[in-house]
Amino acid sequence: SQQGEEDPQALSIQEGENATMNCSYKTSINNLQWYRQNSGRGLVHLILIRSNEREKHSGRLRVTLDTSKKSSSLLITASRAADTASYFCATGGAGSYQLTFGKGTKLSVIP
Amino acid sequence: EAGVAQSPRYKIIEKRQSVAFWCNPISGHATLYWYQQILGQGPKLLIQFQNNGVVDDSQLPKDRFSAERLKGVDSTLKIQPAKLEDSAVYLCASSGWTSGGGDTQYFGPGTRLTVL
Repeated sequence: SQQGEEDPQALSIQEGENATMNCSYKTSINNLQWYRQNSGRGLVHLILIRSNEREKHSGRLRVTLDTSKKSSSLLITASRAADTASYFCATGGAGSYQLTFGKGTKLSVIP
Repeated sequence: EAGVAQSPRYKIIEKRQSVAFWCNPISGHATLYWYQQILGQGPKLLIQFQNNGVVDDSQLPKDRFSAERLKGVDSTLKIQPAKLEDSAVYLCASSGWTSGGGDTQYFGPGTRLTVL
């Protein structure tokens, strides 16, 4: 079974708007990562946040982590058509570097 | 830096046939992963190698799937015989200390397998 569950499953917004995706997980983690997957391609790493961190920024991306609620959110500000993709959260345990992926959120940014 | 290479990109076979996928990780990355991604789902880990040793293959259907990583570099994943439910994208990823730390995985483009 998959650890993370993203919400919503699909999201459609206009270019320039912000997009927020959420991820919930069940067991304790060492880190949580977000990946992007364009149609028919491999996954690209976006950002990693460790269990002792609460917020992290990278360019137009902002990730928060609430370990007490076992949840994370990914905010993409000022979205572009090129941000159209599926976004996956993946949780990492301690010591093994293994990742457990959720089912993803499919984001469509309309020009 | 060259990325993770995979071949072939696409493969169509009949059920009960065999198929093999190849992966070349980023140079210097000690850890290599094979994932199966069924349409509409997230990737599921099949097997993890550390150099040429298996770290975890608990989710690999060993009656039909096999994988090896000779010399701790390239890896092959084989399915024999294939079933209809094996239709998926097979992703290879690698991680290491050369960049991004050991936690970040770098993915190849994947092989899309269709079993008829």
